[in-house]
Amino acid sequence: DTGVSQDPRHKITKRGQNVTFRCDPISEHNRLYWYRQTLGQGPEFLTYFQNEAQLEKSRLLSDRFSAERPKGSFSTLEIQRTEQGDSAMYLCASSLAGPPESEYFGPGTRLTVL
Amino acid sequence: AQKITQTQPGMFVQEKEAVTLDCTYDTSDQSYGLFWYKQPSSGEMIFLIYQGSYDEQNATEGRYSLNFQKARKSANLVISASQLGDSAMYFCAMRELNTGNQFYFGTGTSLTVIP
Repeated sequence: DTGVSQDPRHKITKRGQNVTFRCDPISEHNRLYWYRQTLGQGPEFLTYFQNEAQLEKSRLLSDRFSAERPKGSFSTLEIQRTEQGDSAMYLCASSLAGPPESEYFGPGTRLTVL
Repeated sequence: AQKITQTQPGMFVQEKEAVTLDCTYDTSDQSYGLFWYKQPSSGEMIFLIYQGSYDEQNATEGRYSLNFQKARKSANLVISASQLGDSAMYFCAMRELNTGNQFYFGTGTSLTVIP
């Protein structure tokens, strides 16, 4: 296992379209996180799963955003009716419950909404 | 209030010199972790170093060390013997271990190593 993977790496879409991103965590990691990063800023927390349970959601996660982690493995983040303000890098990270130093990030999906 | 503050938007350092990147944090939680990540232009966040709030010793990982001053709530990153490949964005982050598991990130410091 070479780390956290995300697909696609880049996505360009038109305003109003739906998009879905996928994250495959490190196989033995039971925690999975989604973050959003805009230009010049640090990543902002969106949501967090422990196994298949979504335990925490940020206020940043509007009703147009939904995340799932069926069977506690890979996760998907869907954005419905995209807006230009959704343009950002979407980062996924995974970790083991326990030592906090074991969190690893994927390469991110860069979303551009035209 | 900001949980993590990085006051240096950009820093320059001569190759082979040491550089300190500043980070202060704000929390009322007694149990927390402090992290530094490197983000090259490719975009991936690379974990560098971790310091737990109860750790007595400053963390070190190779050329990276974390200058942890708990009373001042600062967690500065020191990079020794800078290399050209160190040029990147550096983010300080914190996790409050008793009040959830999300990371709080600073706005980052852009480090440029000059040959």
